[in-house]
Amino acid sequence: AQSVTQPDIHITVSEGASLELRCNYSYGATPYLFWYVQSPGQGLQLLLKYFSGDTLVQGIKGFEAEFKRSQSSFNLRKPSVHWSDAAEYFCAVGAGTGTASKLTFGTGTRLQVTL
Amino acid sequence: DADVTQTPRNRITKTGKRIMLECSQTKGHDRMYWYRQDPGLGLRLIYYSFDVKDINKGEISDGYSVSRQAQAKFSLSLESAIPNQTALYFCATRARRGETQYFGPGTRLLVL
Repeated sequence: AQSVTQPDIHITVSEGASLELRCNYSYGATPYLFWYVQSPGQGLQLLLKYFSGDTLVQGIKGFEAEFKRSQSSFNLRKPSVHWSDAAEYFCAVGAGTGTASKLTFGTGTRLQVTL
Repeated sequence: DADVTQTPRNRITKTGKRIMLECSQTKGHDRMYWYRQDPGLGLRLIYYSFDVKDINKGEISDGYSVSRQAQAKFSLSLESAIPNQTALYFCATRARRGETQYFGPGTRLLVL
């Protein structure tokens, strides 16, 4: 079975600073990887996804993530954080397509942005 | 956007009461999912459905039941609510040939 680890429960960065949120996964085959963001009181919004191809993927709101198979990682990055990026971020792995496709989520990383 | 809607958005109920959470979607997706979110635990899958006649248990289905009334509607029931079912509940949808799940805004449930 697949699993996802987000080792950082809470991260605080200053506005304008760079950001990296860590995600490690465990899955026996090629994973489908996702990053979702949950703003306070809101549902989950897809930031970006990786299925295949270029290992550096671009998402919305200036976020990017890099898939590193050798490290089983899919870390999320942003070069300059804005106060509106304060939210909870979830990494998820999908167990393939078709009838087998289910998502397993990490426990989330809460991002606080200081002004 | 309002492609996936959930009702109610907030609900307070008492232990032992039956409660139903509803999810509707206009995305035309076949697959629908129910998750619960608890602080520090992320999202966990309760039930999922690949079409009206195909319903499957997720990792934490005990104490819950579901009904897929139509392709666009997927309801989650708590037959006899208990306090540890207090959580944020999300519905999600996915296209048959897609990999991305799209989430509703969530229902916050408090069981007293």
